[in-house]
Amino acid sequence: GIQVEQSPPDLILQEGANSTLRCNFSDSVNNLQWFHQNPWGQLINLFYIPSGTKQNGRLSATTVATERYSLLYISSSQTTDSGVYFCAVRTNAGNMLTFGGGTRLMVKP
Amino acid sequence: NAGVMQNPRHLVRRRGQEARLRCSPMKGHSHVYWYRQLPEEGLKFMVYLQKENIIDESGMPKERFSAEFPKEGPSILRIQQVVRGDSAAYFCASSLDRSTDTQYFGPGTRLTVL
Repeated sequence: GIQVEQSPPDLILQEGANSTLRCNFSDSVNNLQWFHQNPWGQLINLFYIPSGTKQNGRLSATTVATERYSLLYISSSQTTDSGVYFCAVRTNAGNMLTFGGGTRLMVKP
Repeated sequence: NAGVMQNPRHLVRRRGQEARLRCSPMKGHSHVYWYRQLPEEGLKFMVYLQKENIIDESGMPKERFSAEFPKEGPSILRIQQVVRGDSAAYFCASSLDRSTDTQYFGPGTRLTVL
């Protein structure tokens, strides 16, 4: 099946710093989503971005489908950004989302 | 416009008991997916259903686990004779259609097996 790798696995930032999270995948996809799992365990949809670039406030994402990677940018980080960020993809033939291992982010005040 | 609803949010069972997890998809969504998250891991697909049909159960353990999505009412994930290894967070997601649509996730049910 498709492999999804996220980097870095862990990230510690000072409040106000910027960061880039990466998601590499091993096959063509027709669906790519970024999620934030907050410390209470809830999964929050950030972006649906199988290709192109999107922005939502301090967050933006870019997917280069031909090169099989996606990037999530967090600018001016806040303590509420802490949690785990997951990338998930679906192939043309598949029914399910395959999740990466996540990036665990801690933002310190 | 309510999101995906799951209940209960927390469930405690003793070994050998049955666990029933419920999921109501977003209004208008007829595609439901169940995922399991073991502690400190990512989510893993279990089963994909449409109304009254199981479309893909390739991620579901062959024994003790079953799922349904009846014509009326929520989707149910049933785990019979639970064991400690079943302790996990179980998430349900729904989508408007299958092909390329966004999957929206519920808050999850945290199952603890004593």
